[in-house]
Amino acid sequence: GESVGLHLPTLSVQEGDNSIINCAYSNSASDYFIWYKQESGKGPQFIIDIRSNMDKRQGQRVTVLLNKTVKHLSLQIAATQPGDSAVYFCAENMRVSWGKLQFGAGTQVVVTP
Amino acid sequence: GAGVSQSPSNKVTEKGKDVELRCDPISGHTALYWYRQSLGQGLEFLIYFQGNSAPDKSGLPSDRFSAERTGGSVSTLTIQRTQQEDSAVYLCASSLLQGLIYEQYFGPGTRLTVT
Repeated sequence: GESVGLHLPTLSVQEGDNSIINCAYSNSASDYFIWYKQESGKGPQFIIDIRSNMDKRQGQRVTVLLNKTVKHLSLQIAATQPGDSAVYFCAENMRVSWGKLQFGAGTQVVVTP
Repeated sequence: GAGVSQSPSNKVTEKGKDVELRCDPISGHTALYWYRQSLGQGLEFLIYFQGNSAPDKSGLPSDRFSAERTGGSVSTLTIQRTQQEDSAVYLCASSLLQGLIYEQYFGPGTRLTVT
């Protein structure tokens, strides 16, 4: 993924609103995508995944949308809570290079009361 | 059960010294991964293991970096002759091998500072 240096893109969201986090992935051959959440001082935590043969997948309060035409992935968080404040990363993987996840630069989500 | 653990949690070393970072994966997880995360950056893939074998070493930044895994469990990442640009958080993850569907569980990382 592209580097954005020391300043991550930041999304400010009011508590209770829905959040949409976007990710442009780099490889049209990627066939598996994951969203991770990373809180300060911790390792990334799996949120949800999606295969390239799907365009939407829902979890608990989260939905991932995949648009292969424009190589775009989004994560929607419903009714954002203070505990959702974190850095969110998308990651992509190709079947031919299983195990090698390529991560995007991340988006900082700040939930305000 | 216990999650992925890494040691040490913090390491400060002088430029030119060698360091060893340790990862204990979740018991029963056959795959193990190492990543590097510089300040404010995404994760950079370094290497992964299936069992004790490393099919893909393409992410290792230079020949100063090496990793091994023994007994299908513990892994060590060794950085020789450390440089200041090696300063980063080194993250380890493990997963079950279930075809294309997998979920990597990450440890808390080792913060390496090279002075």
